[in-house]
Amino acid sequence: GQNIDQPTEMTATEGAIVQINCTYQTSGFNGLFWYQQHAGEAPTFLSYNVLDGLEEKGRFSSFLSRSKGYSYLLLKELQMKDSASYLCAVRFPSGTYKYIFGTGTRLKVLA
Amino acid sequence: DTEVTQTPKHLVMGMTNKKSLKCEQHMGHRAMYWYKQKAKKPPELMFVYSYEKLSINESVPSRFSPECPNSSLLNLHLHALQPEDSALYLCASSQEAGGPYEQYFGPGTRLTVT
Repeated sequence: GQNIDQPTEMTATEGAIVQINCTYQTSGFNGLFWYQQHAGEAPTFLSYNVLDGLEEKGRFSSFLSRSKGYSYLLLKELQMKDSASYLCAVRFPSGTYKYIFGTGTRLKVLA
Repeated sequence: DTEVTQTPKHLVMGMTNKKSLKCEQHMGHRAMYWYKQKAKKPPELMFVYSYEKLSINESVPSRFSPECPNSSLLNLHLHALQPEDSALYLCASSQEAGGPYEQYFGPGTRLTVT
C-alpha cells in the first residue's frame, strides 16, 4: 500500500513561519492536495500541486518535487486560528482516481 | 452554494439495526466520496462515485452499502455494524474525480455502534 508520511505534531509561535512536510511513494502520482482540519470539523481545501514547484496563496504556500516524492506546506505569519491538523492527500489513478490521506500533522500555535 | 450537507449529525445504533446516512450537494459535482475517520486519524477512503457509478470500493465490508440515487445525492446504508465501526463518516464531492478539483467535505455524521 501507499504510505504518506507527515510529522505527527508541531508547535510554533504566533507570527512565525512553519513548514509541514509530506513524503509519499512516487509510483502513479496524479496530484497532491493540502487540507486543514480543525478539531471536530470537516477538512477544508488549502492548495493543490501537480507540477514541480511552488504554489502561493496568501499566507499559505505549497511546494512539490515529484521526483523526490516530497511536498511541504509553508504557513507564514502564524495566527492562533491556524492551530489545526494539516493533511496532505495524494491522488492516484485507480479506476477513476483514489485519494490517500497522509497521517496528518497537528499544529499548535502558541501566543 | 458550496455546501455539502449530511444527515444525521449524530447517530447511535445497535448492532442489529439498519440505518442510512445521507449526503447532498447542489454544486453540479460529478464525483462523490465516502470517508471514515477515527479520532486523531486521517480520513480513510471507502467509496468513490463518478457520474453516479461506483468506481472505487476500498475493500469495505458488505455491512456498508453505498447508493447514488442521482447526481446530487449519496447514501450509505448500514446494517449489522460492529462497535469498531464507530467513527465520523464524511461525505465529499468534487467537480470531477481527476483534474485540479478539490474535494468539498460535509460536516460528517458521528456514528456510535453499541
